[in-house]
Amino acid sequence: KAGVTQTPRYLIKTRGQQVTLSCSPISGHRSVSWYQQTPGQGLQFLFEYFSETQRNKGNFPGRFSGRQFSNSRSEMNVSTLELGDSALYLCASSSDATYNEQFFGPGTRLTVL
Amino acid sequence: DQQVKQNSPSLSVQEGRISILNCDYTNSMFDYFLWYKKYPAEGPTFLISISSIKDKNEDGRFTVFLNKSAKHLSLHIVPSQPGDSAVYFCAALQGAQKLVFGQGTRLTINP
Repeated sequence: KAGVTQTPRYLIKTRGQQVTLSCSPISGHRSVSWYQQTPGQGLQFLFEYFSETQRNKGNFPGRFSGRQFSNSRSEMNVSTLELGDSALYLCASSSDATYNEQFFGPGTRLTVL
Repeated sequence: DQQVKQNSPSLSVQEGRISILNCDYTNSMFDYFLWYKKYPAEGPTFLISISSIKDKNEDGRFTVFLNKSAKHLSLHIVPSQPGDSAVYFCAALQGAQKLVFGQGTRLTINP
């Protein structure tokens, strides 16, 4: 079974631009979560989608948004990029039993200049 | 407000000895905890988990202990091997699928 894939792996943007990151979950997994990892804040939960609906949301500004498609693939979008948005963005999928482990992708490294 | 804390940013252990990684939490509503391991340029990999109705869970060389009254959990790795060198994250499950992570502890196993 293929693992969680994320594209692109690396991205460089400038302040004010917007960016879209993509995540393909493990086949059969319907829950997709997004996390931001920074040296200062560690791993922080952004949001979780299940069956095309946002089910859970972290404490991030509205510039961070996401969506999920009918095939469970998910995208997250960050608008009006700020320098502080530079981070590793991780996507995780699970089969949605309440306590199932989440399987993480390799992440997208976003650098904002 | 850091609800899950790993107070040791790094730990160095001799190969073959026991590695003990610690984690504290503040939210008594957490009822499921997980440990993840992360290598550079890779996403975190699930290691082991424990429900709050248990105080110990074992999987091969990895054992997680939970002390609910102290709001403390620990991961024991024995014997430690060079391939265990990585960053270890403690996480608590808050609601369906929302993981709250600690800051991580970098474990180095010395030959």
